[in-house]
Amino acid sequence: NAGVMQNPRHLVRRRGQEARLRCSPMKGHSHVYWYRQLPEEGLKFMVYLQKENIIDESGMPKERFSAEFPKEGPSILRIQQVVRGDSAAYFCASSPPRAPGELFFGEGSRLTVL
Amino acid sequence: DQQVKQNSPSLSVQEGRISILNCDYTNSMFDYFLWYKKYPAEGPTFLISISSIKDKNEDGRFTVFLNKSAKHLSLHIVPSQPGDSAVYFCAASVTGSSNTGKLIFGQGTTLQVKP
Repeated sequence: NAGVMQNPRHLVRRRGQEARLRCSPMKGHSHVYWYRQLPEEGLKFMVYLQKENIIDESGMPKERFSAEFPKEGPSILRIQQVVRGDSAAYFCASSPPRAPGELFFGEGSRLTVL
Repeated sequence: DQQVKQNSPSLSVQEGRISILNCDYTNSMFDYFLWYKKYPAEGPTFLISISSIKDKNEDGRFTVFLNKSAKHLSLHIVPSQPGDSAVYFCAASVTGSSNTGKLIFGQGTTLQVKP
């Protein structure tokens, strides 16, 4: 049973470009979460999604960031017009339907904005 | 507004001794607490959790203690092993809402266990 799969593991973008990070949850998991870890800080909640629904996006920056979890395919975190401050590790986590608090994390996608 | 704080950025202990990692929180609504362990270039992995109806939970070498009146929890590792060297994150959530996966993390404590 594969774990949470994230890709790419490393992504380099220039300021103003777009970054797309993908996350495939564990098999049987219907809840997906995105967290961001800035250097020297803990993980910060960004968004919680279920299939085709955004449940809580209270941690998402108001502009340039969006997330989706379509009926088919992985969850996508999209960052438009990236700036240097977006450089961070972005972690996806998933949880099973009956235990939404038990998060299983992927290995993260490290975004570097030049 | 740091609702979950780990005031010690690092801790170094000798192999075989006890490691004690501390965590304080400010939100009295938190009722579920977790510890995650993270190695470099990997995602956090779940270690142990405790509900607010308990004051202690034990799993092998790992024990978590919760003091609700002090809004404090701690993770004890006995005996410590070199493979325990990692960053440990304390996290908390309010399970009464639908957002039980919305964890609030502390800044992390880097544990080094010396052979």
